Amino acid sequence: KQEVTQIPAALSVPEGENLVLNCSFTDSAIYNLQWFRQDPGKGLTSLLLIQSSQREQTSGRLNASLDKSSGRSTLYIAASQPGDSATYLCAVFNNNDMRFGAGTRLTVKP
Amino acid sequence: DTAVSQTPKYLVTQMGNDKSIKCEQNLGHDTMYWYKQDSKKFLKIMFSYNNKELIINETVPNRFSPKSPDKAHLNLHINSLELGDSAVYFCASSQVAGGNEQFFGPGTRLTVL
Repeated sequence: KQEVTQIPAALSVPEGENLVLNCSFTDSAIYNLQWFRQDPGKGLTSLLLIQSSQREQTSGRLNASLDKSSGRSTLYIAASQPGDSATYLCAVFNNNDMRFGAGTRLTVKP
Repeated sequence: DTAVSQTPKYLVTQMGNDKSIKCEQNLGHDTMYWYKQDSKKFLKIMFSYNNKELIINETVPNRFSPKSPDKAHLNLHINSLELGDSAVYFCASSQVAGGNEQFFGPGTRLTVL
């Protein structure tokens, strides 16, 4: 059974810092991996989708990498801003099943 | 335009009641999903529908039943509500089944008293 773990559970950084969020999964037979952002009391916003054949995806200040063989993905956020404060979730998809990590709660201090 | 919408946003009801949550997507997607986010913020998939066929059915109680009148709608009916059903329920959609990017609705916060 696929298990998804995100480390750290919470992270607080000063504005402007570059940071990395980690996601690991136990079954490397995934179809894709998706990173989401969730603001308090809100729904999920899709950030990046990496197909199993890809190594990374970039969107603006965000870069997500995927190492399927080791069961890991990282989300890199460059030059963090207070508006980046949110919970970041990774989810892996395979066999019509999507499994989420518990999320990393990020706080960027002005 | 809202891509994936849910109604109501908040739902407070008594134990034992039957309630429904509606979901609509205007993205032209073929597949829609329902997720439950519990008090610990952990998201779990409940159902997905592709062209009116149920293709995922996690081990949820049969008090929960998804109903899709057409490709753009997937409603969630819950019978005999229990305290443990209190959670935030999210609807999502993707272009096709099989792991395309999923787009989420704003969620419905259900509180069972």
